[in-house]
Amino acid sequence: QKEVEQNSGPLSVPEGAIASLNCTYSDRGSQSFFWYRQYSGKSPELIMFIYSNGDKEDGRFTAQLNKASQYVSLLIRDSQPSDSATYLCAVYNTNAGKSTFGDGTTLTVKP
Amino acid sequence: SAVISQKPSRDICQRGTSLTIQCQVDSQVTMMFWYRQQPGQSLTLIATANQGSEATYESGFVIDKFPISRPNLTFSTLTVSNMSPEDSSIYLCSVPRAGGTNTEAFFGQGTRLTVV
Repeated sequence: QKEVEQNSGPLSVPEGAIASLNCTYSDRGSQSFFWYRQYSGKSPELIMFIYSNGDKEDGRFTAQLNKASQYVSLLIRDSQPSDSATYLCAVYNTNAGKSTFGDGTTLTVKP
Repeated sequence: SAVISQKPSRDICQRGTSLTIQCQVDSQVTMMFWYRQQPGQSLTLIATANQGSEATYESGFVIDKFPISRPNLTFSTLTVSNMSPEDSSIYLCSVPRAGGTNTEAFFGQGTRLTVV
């Protein structure tokens, strides 16, 4: 089992729809959770981070964390073609001092 | 946000040779990180470069293969030694956001390495 697993892609949604990206992790000691967006040929850029259970909203993006279920998700509302990218889930365990990235989910938003 | 300059942006190298990748940050940072991203895969941390001490390598990565220098708080190099086609990958340097961990990070633009 991978330490961080993301829903296999590619994921395709029509413009204006909600895109839902999911991530599960195996290390219960994980404390910080991050979503990065990576356009093809570019380096990752941080778009959301969440530390506490519940929802965190930033514009069209909502991160959801459920530590009991070891689950973190990213919702993108009103998806735009410019959201088409690979989204990487990253999990950091402060005590272990290590970070782990998922394999990413490629999202395509069709006009 | 930090500005990270990484070079070269890409290179094609012969097997058996070595390539040194440079990473320059526009502000002083305690930790710098080197990642590898193989085609179609996610980021794997190679090592943490700390100024004034030896780099800390992750499981599966060794200093002889990936020597790292960190001469000051704004600069680091990663060398990929004795390259083979399996080393073809994107190599990224990263620095933490202020007060952040190494996953809450800024990334350089990456070095796309092809070994032939």
